[in-house]
Amino acid sequence: GAGVSQSPSNKVTEKGKDVELRCDPISGHTALYWYRQSLGQGLEFLIYFQGNSAPDKSGLPSDRFSAERTGGSVSTLTIQRTQQEDSAVYLCASSLVGGRARNEQFFGPGTRLTVL
Amino acid sequence: GIQVEQSPPDLILQEGANSTLRCNFSDSVNNLQWFHQNPWGQLINLFYIPSGTKQNGRLSATTVATERYSLLYISSSQTTDSGVYFCAVFGDYGGSQGNLIFGKGTKLSVKP
Repeated sequence: GAGVSQSPSNKVTEKGKDVELRCDPISGHTALYWYRQSLGQGLEFLIYFQGNSAPDKSGLPSDRFSAERTGGSVSTLTIQRTQQEDSAVYLCASSLVGGRARNEQFFGPGTRLTVL
Repeated sequence: GIQVEQSPPDLILQEGANSTLRCNFSDSVNNLQWFHQNPWGQLINLFYIPSGTKQNGRLSATTVATERYSLLYISSSQTTDSGVYFCAVFGDYGGSQGNLIFGKGTKLSVKP
């Protein structure tokens, strides 16, 4: 597509429920990244995919967070047993390649998650 | 890890004024990007500028990698320039890390 797309744009859930957030990167981009933006923490990295593999999961805050990418394209970020501190905007980005190439990253519009 | 500091944290301008935003980083980098986050939360790419100077309309940016800073210049500011400006870097080190490290941003308000 023309840009990175994310769905849903907004998600309200109850504490303890599981949620899935979806990211569709720019066509042809092999690298995909998830970030989180919250009021107290700024923009923080969660996980990086090169193709379907995730060489860097260092930013995932707990084992309740997981992500997968299939077909080298769409990615899903899953948060299990959501907590109120998970409330944030989840941003996805993609670049032509990743890792040491350090290519320019382009961001989607984000998913605003609210955990009640 | 690498630290990214932006200044000033807040900036209020009258429409038509010029401004300079600064980004300092604590180690050598091989990628630096400037973003504008609009009031709807969208991060818009302004510049990909690991070194040198680039210009795009009323905006220009300069990165002096050897001195570990980058500057974003906004000339003849407009109300639509309002929002938060972020600087983000990759560190110049090995490994598989692919993430950008963001500064805390400069919040710009342009008054009519």
